[in-house]
Amino acid sequence: SQTIHQWPATLVQPVGSPLSLECTVEGTSNPNLYWYRQAAGRGLQLLFYSVGIGQISSEVPQNLSASRPQDRQFILSSKKLLLSDSGFYLCAWGRRQDSPLHFGNGTRLTVT
Amino acid sequence: AQTVTQSQPEMSVQEAETVTLSCTYDTSENNYYLFWYKQPPSRQMILVIRQEAYKQQNATENRFSVNFQKAAKSFSLKISDSQLGDTAMYFCAFMSPSGNTPLVFGKGTRLSVIA
Repeated sequence: SQTIHQWPATLVQPVGSPLSLECTVEGTSNPNLYWYRQAAGRGLQLLFYSVGIGQISSEVPQNLSASRPQDRQFILSSKKLLLSDSGFYLCAWGRRQDSPLHFGNGTRLTVT
Repeated sequence: AQTVTQSQPEMSVQEAETVTLSCTYDTSENNYYLFWYKQPPSRQMILVIRQEAYKQQNATENRFSVNFQKAAKSFSLKISDSQLGDTAMYFCAFMSPSGNTPLVFGKGTRLSVIA
């Protein structure tokens, strides 16, 4: 069966510090991978998605970036965090572009 | 671009009663997929139910069923025999199989089941 791992579960970082959130998927190959952000317990905002190694599509221009160094690894990064980067970050995977997404447990990021 | 609208920010229902959550969407495509996700206080996103637009029959999963009205672009979720564990945020989502458009979510409805 397929599983998705996302870490860390919680993170408190000062403004201006770097960020690295990691997500890995097991039990499948060539998944579509996604990073979403959820602010204030409301809707999900798509940040990045990837349909293959090295292929990253950005939905929102900001100080975040994403990389996919391996088939089942998706990393969300920032060189300098802003207060507005606080939120709940969710990684997700799907088999094809018409399949439901399966989500990780999320990372609660607080920028102080 | 596709949009998904959930017009009920919050709802409540008595335990064992039935509740319906509304969702409308906007698309010019004929073939697409619709989903309902549940996000309990643990904040994990859980797939509740899925509907393919080319299927006329409404999807059901145990106590969860949908009322899919393609012409009206409406996709409501009915929860029967509500349980305390159903308390969660519920998100309606749209996916187009064409192009590279990922899942588009509504803003969610916060459902509280009251004992």
